[in-house]
Amino acid sequence: NAGVTQTPKFRILKIGQSMTLQCAQDMNHNYMYWYRQDPGMGLKLIYYSVGAGITDKGEVPNGYNVSRSTTEDFPLRLELAAPSQTSVYFCASSYTSGARNGYTFGSGTRLTVV
Amino acid sequence: GENVEQHPSTLSVQEGDSAVIKCTYSDSASNYFPWYKQELGKRPQLIIDIRSNVGEKKDQRIAVTLNKTAKHFSLHITETQPEDSAVYFCAASMLGGGSNYKLTFGKGTLLTVNP
Repeated sequence: NAGVTQTPKFRILKIGQSMTLQCAQDMNHNYMYWYRQDPGMGLKLIYYSVGAGITDKGEVPNGYNVSRSTTEDFPLRLELAAPSQTSVYFCASSYTSGARNGYTFGSGTRLTVV
Repeated sequence: GENVEQHPSTLSVQEGDSAVIKCTYSDSASNYFPWYKQELGKRPQLIIDIRSNVGEKKDQRIAVTLNKTAKHFSLHITETQPEDSAVYFCAASMLGGGSNYKLTFGKGTLLTVNP
């Protein structure tokens, strides 16, 4: 049982490049989330999904896209990377009701856009 | 949407002292309030949570209190130890009623426990 696995751990992108941050969970959680963490700003919700085929915007979705074709995977796509997207990105998952053990977070992806 | 304010942003205490971190929330529909601990370079991890039908919850040296009327909740750590040094985040959400269980986080408190 690996929990929530994120790849890559680190990445440097040039302005205008694109990339996909991978997230996979093996706990059969329905709910999955992408957050970004900037220094002193807490965690901001980018996108979330309540099940395969269903996604919705969070607080800061601009510049990002997601898909959820399976229960296990929830990739985050960055198109035309900008310096403002330099951040640490966390994927998380939870049971439907959140009644058990809260969110399980991945180990994060540290992205730098130069 | 929900807004969570967290204070203080930094807190320094001597080993053995108590630490208190306070949060306020804006949405009266929120009924679930977890606290996460994040050590440097690591992922956030749940340390304790409380539902709105409970006023206080304890787990060894940590406790959380909730005042629904005033819409604020607090984390209390007693007998602090150097390994308690970390960033602590409060969060709020609504569980049940078909909610999507989105957590809104506070901006975090950097707790430093000095030996």
